[in-house]
Amino acid sequence: DQQVKQNSPSLSVQEGRISILNCDYTNSMFDYFLWYKKYPAEGPTFLISISSIKDKNEDGRFTVFLNKSAKHLSLHIVPSQPGDSAVYFCAASAEETSGSRLTFGEGTQLTVNP
Amino acid sequence: ETGVTQTPRHLVMGMTNKKSLKCEQHLGHNAMYWYKQSAKKPLELMFVYSLEERVENNSVPSRFSPECPNSSHLFLHLHTLQPEDSALYLCASSQGPPRGYGYTFGSGTRLTVV
Repeated sequence: DQQVKQNSPSLSVQEGRISILNCDYTNSMFDYFLWYKKYPAEGPTFLISISSIKDKNEDGRFTVFLNKSAKHLSLHIVPSQPGDSAVYFCAASAEETSGSRLTFGEGTQLTVNP
Repeated sequence: ETGVTQTPRHLVMGMTNKKSLKCEQHLGHNAMYWYKQSAKKPLELMFVYSLEERVENNSVPSRFSPECPNSSHLFLHLHTLQPEDSALYLCASSQGPPRGYGYTFGSGTRLTVV
């Protein structure tokens, strides 16, 4: 039972345009959602998070939107830059059921073309 | 050194070998994790250690044996692995539950079982 899903394995956008990465979840007990970015040969690095009591969190070029009724979140990157090309993982945590762990999606490979 | 350091970066081992993966964190965190990343799959949680005690074992085969001698070090001992165990093994740490702050990951060990 995969509780966090990223249905798009890859996304390609032009430099300067918006990148939108999507994530769906099934566990209504999740109360924090996070996005990680991973370059080849490196570990994932934390990008941005959002609490379930909010519907938007912004940090520079990165904005995460949460739609709790649809159990859906998205990461917007604008403007996209070639250096943003990486695999992006969505993750979630639920204090009650998982305590000290994150549940991850499969990842989406973003390619930003110059 | 800072952050989370994993050694070795790459490992090739035969199915009858015994080897160990090492993880060290210099962040003063009190929880450490082993994750497995296989191609096109979500990161799979293997083990969680909190305050040096194993608090979660996600039905991992006994050919994987973790050890946490102190809050800064985590090992994964490997023996009689199978080719399907070939993957990227990621170590992570956090201060308490990851919640909205997530983990800090190491760069991973790329394991190939031949």
